[in-house]
Amino acid sequence: IVMTQSPATLSVSPGERATLSCRASQSVSSNLAWYQQKPGQAPRLLIYGASTRATGIPARFSGSGSGTDFTLTISSLQSEDFAVYYCQQYSNWPYTFGQGTKLEIK
Amino acid sequence: EVQLVESGGGLVQPGRSLRLSCAASGFTFDDYAMQWVRQAPGKGLEWVSGITWNSGSIGYADSVKGRFTISRDNAKNSLYLQMNSLRAEDTALYYCARRHASDIWGQGTMVTVSS
Repeated sequence: IVMTQSPATLSVSPGERATLSCRASQSVSSNLAWYQQKPGQAPRLLIYGASTRATGIPARFSGSGSGTDFTLTISSLQSEDFAVYYCQQYSNWPYTFGQGTKLEIK
Repeated sequence: EVQLVESGGGLVQPGRSLRLSCAASGFTFDDYAMQWVRQAPGKGLEWVSGITWNSGSIGYADSVKGRFTISRDNAKNSLYLQMNSLRAEDTALYYCARRHASDIWGQGTMVTVSS
């Protein structure tokens, strides 16, 4: 299953809303996770089951979608949110990641 | 503290083998599936392999199938990745991670394949 994220780079001002997209080449049901990665750090799980926030993740992060089309929304960007975001399907082996979206400060 | 610590990385020549280990602590290891994920320098995440709690189901990325073998020893709270016939394109930071949607990650162990 090929996961395609868009856009590759997203420039947004602090306080604004960011919307990241992820599309699967075939249905993955709700078996979709979102991760955040900052330079020099391991990835951090944000969302699993397409829409469930992981433990300790702020409410400004939300996930939606099912089947093949998914969205990660960050409602009001904080300085610490500028990072690279990956989606991953875990519906069937082999699991696959998208290529990532870099969220940068505008 | 819930923790995963990888080890076993290093510099290896093409065609040779390496075995990575991941030591788990702070949780009941045999309750969880585990994954290996890698990241080449400056690149994105690539899922490598996964194993269910009882080793009943195992999966591999096409890029490593037939060369890499994942295993676990629940008595030792440890996950392993045996990597054979290594190639330059296997050069990456290798992470172990807990669960299918991975909530806990180690800090990674670097594997460099070069002559």
